[in-house]
Amino acid sequence: DAGVIQSPRHEVTEMGQEVTLRCKPISGHNSLFWYRQTMMRGLELLIYFNNNVPIDDSGMPEDRFSAKMPNASFSTLKIQPSEPRDSAVYFCASSPAQTGGNQPQHFGDGTRLSIL
Amino acid sequence: KNEVEQSPQNLTAQEGEFITINCSYSVGISALHWLQQHPGGGIVSLFMLSSGKKKHGRLIATINIQEKHSSLHITASHPRDSAVYICAVRSGYKIIFGKGTRLHILP
Repeated sequence: DAGVIQSPRHEVTEMGQEVTLRCKPISGHNSLFWYRQTMMRGLELLIYFNNNVPIDDSGMPEDRFSAKMPNASFSTLKIQPSEPRDSAVYFCASSPAQTGGNQPQHFGDGTRLSIL
Repeated sequence: KNEVEQSPQNLTAQEGEFITINCSYSVGISALHWLQQHPGGGIVSLFMLSSGKKKHGRLIATINIQEKHSSLHITASHPRDSAVYICAVRSGYKIIFGKGTRLHILP
């Protein structure tokens, strides 16, 4: 079975540019999570979707960040405009959980983002 | 004070030793996750617990809901167990992470 697929694996861009990170969850999983990991703050939940609907986006740092899930097999996390402090590894994870439920999450390999 | 505290922050042990990593939390939770992050950066979910104890191979995870505490044990540790182990709790819609425990097993 294919796991969670994220693209790109690495992204280096200049500040002010738009960045789009992509995620394909495991087929049949109906919960999808976007996380950010930095040395200073560790892992943080940014946003969580259930059945393609955003359930909790309180972790999204500011209006420059937006996430969409147009269908069950695809999600994007967009940063516009990007800033150097957005540099981090961004992980996507999916699980078969229902809203508020608890199932193990399957993580993608992450996107390492560097904003110059 | 962090809502999820892990100890120790760093642990170095000899191959074969019994390892314990602790996680304490201060919020009400519906579940607790143990994650493993290897030096290459990939994250693997080891356990999801809401009560009691789970075992998978040489790994055992326990949780005491009353005491708001969980432990991850590794028996017969091996250098390939070297990784960062992260505790995460589910509290409502929130997922709150500990800072991680960096484990290094020497051959």
